[in-house]
Amino acid sequence: KNQVEQSPQSLIILEGKNCTLQCNYTVSPFSNLRWYKQDTGRGPVSLTIMTFSENTKSNGRYTATLDADTKQSSLHITASQLSDSASYICVVRDNYGQNFVFGPGTRLSVLP
Amino acid sequence: NAGVTQTPKFRVLKTGQSMTLLCAQDMNHEYMYWYRQDPGMGLRLIHYSVGEGTTAKGEVPDGYNVSRLKKQNFLLGLESAAPSQTSVYFCASSDRDTRQETQYFGPGTRLLVL
Repeated sequence: KNQVEQSPQSLIILEGKNCTLQCNYTVSPFSNLRWYKQDTGRGPVSLTIMTFSENTKSNGRYTATLDADTKQSSLHITASQLSDSASYICVVRDNYGQNFVFGPGTRLSVLP
Repeated sequence: NAGVTQTPKFRVLKTGQSMTLLCAQDMNHEYMYWYRQDPGMGLRLIHYSVGEGTTAKGEVPDGYNVSRLKKQNFLLGLESAAPSQTSVYFCASSDRDTRQETQYFGPGTRLLVL
């Protein structure tokens, strides 16, 4: 069964610190992997999209990595800000139609 | 440019009542989607549309119907609401299918079925 798992479930860090969120997936055949940021009470917003051939992709202070062999991805946030407090969702798309498999998200809280 | 908008923002229904959720996008996107988000779970696809006049079932379509009469609008209907349909509903849209197109999400509709 196609699944996306994320860890940790929640994370608390101090402002200015770095953190890394993990995503493991079993989706096959793989098309691409996406990271979204979802603020409380809002819809998800795309951060990065990576294909099979891409190992890393950055969007400002957000850097995503992909290891297609081990089916793992990570999202690294550098120099965290209070506005980074949100849920971060990993999404894997397979090669069939409109099948996007969403992970449950990691809830990040950045404290002053 | 409002992006993706959803109405209403919040609704309370009694079991057995019906309602329609409206999604509108002003980006001239071909593809539109309806998802539901439940605590501790990832978003799950209810129905989607790849163009005006077309609809298709997603992962959890039972109890819902959809219509795409106009390109910019995608309606989600609940004919007879059940408590299991209490959820947050998100609409999304995207441009033509390049496999890497970005999905743009609306702000969500919170639905409580008593």
